[in-house]
Amino acid sequence: DIQMTQSPSSLSASVGDRVTLTCHASHDINNFLNWYQQKPGKAPKLLIYGASSLETGVPSRFSGSRSGTDFTVTISSLQPEDFATYFCQQHSTFPYTFGQGTKLEIK
Amino acid sequence: QVQLQESGPGLVKPSETLSLSCTVSGGSVTSESYHWSWIRQPPGKGLEWIGDVYYSGSTEYNPSLKSRVTMSVDTSKNQFSLKLSSVNAADTAVYYCAREDVVAATLDFWGQGILVTVSS
Repeated sequence: DIQMTQSPSSLSASVGDRVTLTCHASHDINNFLNWYQQKPGKAPKLLIYGASSLETGVPSRFSGSRSGTDFTVTISSLQPEDFATYFCQQHSTFPYTFGQGTKLEIK
Repeated sequence: QVQLQESGPGLVKPSETLSLSCTVSGGSVTSESYHWSWIRQPPGKGLEWIGDVYYSGSTEYNPSLKSRVTMSVDTSKNQFSLKLSSVNAADTAVYYCAREDVVAATLDFWGQGILVTVSS
């Protein structure tokens, strides 16, 4: 299986901060990488697909990028509704696998 | 707007079979554009992809669960289902159903999730 490793596991930040979350794939997955946001007690919500394409309706303060097997999601200016857990997911190879998540908390 | 809703028992005894259904509204399980997926999340932990099923009945399962998993589609009810046999405490989780776009391979619509506890 392809292992997806996210860092950091948790992050404290303030409203208005710029934050970057990272996901590393154990093998080359090309751009077959999605990002999801999950709030407590809710289902995950698709944010970014194909490593860098924003899902419809997702605010433009979110952006995604790739460098080799490293992927990032950046939030340019944190809003109160952005505090949540973020998961990456590869769909290059079955079984699809997720990272363990990064919990973004209010400082 | 597509909506998905999981249903089934919230408590299953060890060694028995977990059976869940997902009802799709606002869309059709016979669409050629989507796979229908199951994902689970143990309490306080990460997400695990269980597998998916296509309207034709073709399936893809996670090898870690493959020997115990069966997925199917019921077009008459616009539902798809998950069966997981010989469950144990490690199968306790919130189970989500989701729609997967065939082309983009994105899980773009999710059910709200159902907590299934394995306990005697």
